[in-house]
Amino acid sequence: SQQGEEDPQALSIQEGENATMNCSYKTSINNLQWYRQNSGRGLVHLILIRSNEREKHSGRLRVTLDTSKKSSSLLITASRAADTASYFCATDSVAQGGSEKLVFGKGTKLTVNP
Amino acid sequence: DAGITQSPRYKITETGRQVTLMCHQTWSHSYMFWYRQDLGHGLRLIYYSAAADITDKGEVPDGYVVSRSKTENFPLTLESATRSQTSVYFCASSEPFFAGVGNEQFFGPGTRLTVL
Repeated sequence: SQQGEEDPQALSIQEGENATMNCSYKTSINNLQWYRQNSGRGLVHLILIRSNEREKHSGRLRVTLDTSKKSSSLLITASRAADTASYFCATDSVAQGGSEKLVFGKGTKLTVNP
Repeated sequence: DAGITQSPRYKITETGRQVTLMCHQTWSHSYMFWYRQDLGHGLRLIYYSAAADITDKGEVPDGYVVSRSKTENFPLTLESATRSQTSVYFCASSEPFFAGVGNEQFFGPGTRLTVL
């Protein structure tokens, strides 16, 4: 069963605009991660935010986490055509014991038009 | 080269045949995972392994068998392939969470399997 669910399923923007993707999850977590997948490739880890953190930055990426709402958002600022990819959130589950096993959402497909 | 590799990258087989997908990592990560990715379902965990000779089922284990005799290898076998197993398969590895480096997973390039 899916733990994380991304929203929207697809997003199309112009180069230079900001892109925001959201993720909701169901159970208590230790941390939440975001991954990117370019077409035909494997997933690449972008950023990890722990349950006691509220915001984290990495370059043009900004991730927020609201554990009371069980939700996270990924903001990509000043988007580029090269950001075109699918983005997935992944969560562990405190209830399942151990944090190595992740459950991935279905992803948001981002298209950045030149 | 350091990293995680999968072979073959593409495979076409017939219903009922046995197929083995290979995964090899050079980081000595203790954890390894097998996922399948299908349209509409995202990434689903098939099996995972915490160390050599320790494996456990994920969300969709039926029809699959794994083994892990060496830390660096984690083959996935479809004992009798079915059309519903047509998918893209990804292998991943990670350190354990308590190692203090987080549990980000490192993914291989994937194997596209078609079962006719």
